[in-house]
Amino acid sequence: QQPVQSPQAVILREGEDAVINCSSSKALYSVHWYRQKHGEAPVFLMILLKGGEQKGHEKISASFNEKKQQSSLYLTASQLSYSGTYFCGTEAETDDKIIFGKGTRLHILP
Amino acid sequence: DAGITQSPRHKVTETGTPVTLRCHQTENHRYMYWYRQDPGHGLRLIHYSYGVKDTDKGEVSDGYSVSRSKTEDFLLTLESATSSQTSVYFCAISEGRGLARGGELFFGEGSRLTVL
Repeated sequence: QQPVQSPQAVILREGEDAVINCSSSKALYSVHWYRQKHGEAPVFLMILLKGGEQKGHEKISASFNEKKQQSSLYLTASQLSYSGTYFCGTEAETDDKIIFGKGTRLHILP
Repeated sequence: DAGITQSPRHKVTETGTPVTLRCHQTENHRYMYWYRQDPGHGLRLIHYSYGVKDTDKGEVSDGYSVSRSKTEDFLLTLESATSSQTSVYFCAISEGRGLARGGELFFGEGSRLTVL
């Protein structure tokens, strides 16, 4: 079952902050975040593991609430280069498939 | 950049014809995945592999089969293509660790398939 992302779309001005949320109905082992620009492949941003381990880009921050099976991606002081579609991917405790949400489109205005 | 290539990058075919997409990696990663991407649906998992000859179904596996006879190659086959299989197909690889969990995905550039 696909994780649910919110909001579906966001429009910001450069320098503003944004939060993208991801929730799952399954008990999760990990949450992944990726960004995709138009016409390109998705690119890894961050992975958060059950138990608190994280790996990702220094300028990206995210949280993982293991009790609620929810994750949030925090984009602070947004830049024009942050525009794109953001996907969360979830890996359940009971299997090793990585299932993605439908994405959140982020548009940054100058 | 992770060494992952997809072929063909673009293909136009007719309904009822067989189609095979190839994903090739040079990273020796254990996990390989096939996703399809359609507007409004995000990335949907078709099949994945956790080792040579070890594959499992994803969310939208009907009408697709896969094979992995070597670590580096993961083939996706549409036995009889339909218009509903028009999509962009992405292959991804993951190193994994331990029981092969928790590794980030590296995506190929995608293969655009049009079924007329």
